[in-house]
Amino acid sequence: MQLVESGGGVVQAGRSLRLSCAASGFTFSSYGMHWVRQAPGKGLEWVAVMWYDGRKESYTDSVKGRFTISRDNSKNMLYLQMNSLRAEDTAVYYCARDQVVYGDYRDYYYGMAVWGQGTTVTVSS
Amino acid sequence: DIQMTQSPSSLSASVGDRVTITCRASHSISNYLHWYQQKPGKAPTLLIYAASSLDSGVPSRFSGSGSGTDFTLTISSLQPEDFATYYCQQSYTAPPFTFGPGTKVGIK
Repeated sequence: MQLVESGGGVVQAGRSLRLSCAASGFTFSSYGMHWVRQAPGKGLEWVAVMWYDGRKESYTDSVKGRFTISRDNSKNMLYLQMNSLRAEDTAVYYCARDQVVYGDYRDYYYGMAVWGQGTTVTVSS
Repeated sequence: DIQMTQSPSSLSASVGDRVTITCRASHSISNYLHWYQQKPGKAPTLLIYAASSLDSGVPSRFSGSGSGTDFTLTISSLQPEDFATYYCQQSYTAPPFTFGPGTKVGIK
């Protein structure tokens, strides 16, 4: 089981960036997928989730209206489109997989069991 | 939204010590509480889910307990590879999936 992020880099404030996460070694279409970020020297912050079948998505308040999570189950790919980037979006961005299949997040007793190595996004002001 | 706190924010311990980390939720989250370990420069790994269930492959020296608002992660005998930062995370009101601020376990 493996997740590999890409697409990070240095970008000016106000610009856009698209992150990708390539999944392998498991049935991608059966698992909900997340983006979690970590600012330099700080803790983990959950950013967004997309349900396993792509029917629903959810975001942390600070990125609503600016970031869009998406997935292509035919390609085993997860994406994060980040628009109107701010200095406070500077972080390592991890993609992470649900622990169990078909999670609907009601009575969800499970965590995030598979993580990528992360991709670094630096927003310069 | 539910807020998560952890204490202490950091601690120093020796190999062989028993270490306990506390996580507190601002409202009851039953046992929808999970623990992660993160080593410097690495991605987090899931240690414990549903407050007390060990994820596959996690050594038995790790244990979790608690329910409601107060939870603990215990390392019964600290090993050199356990020096890391530990995070709790709730899924009771998910989404959002809220993480605690972390507890850094350092070498005494």
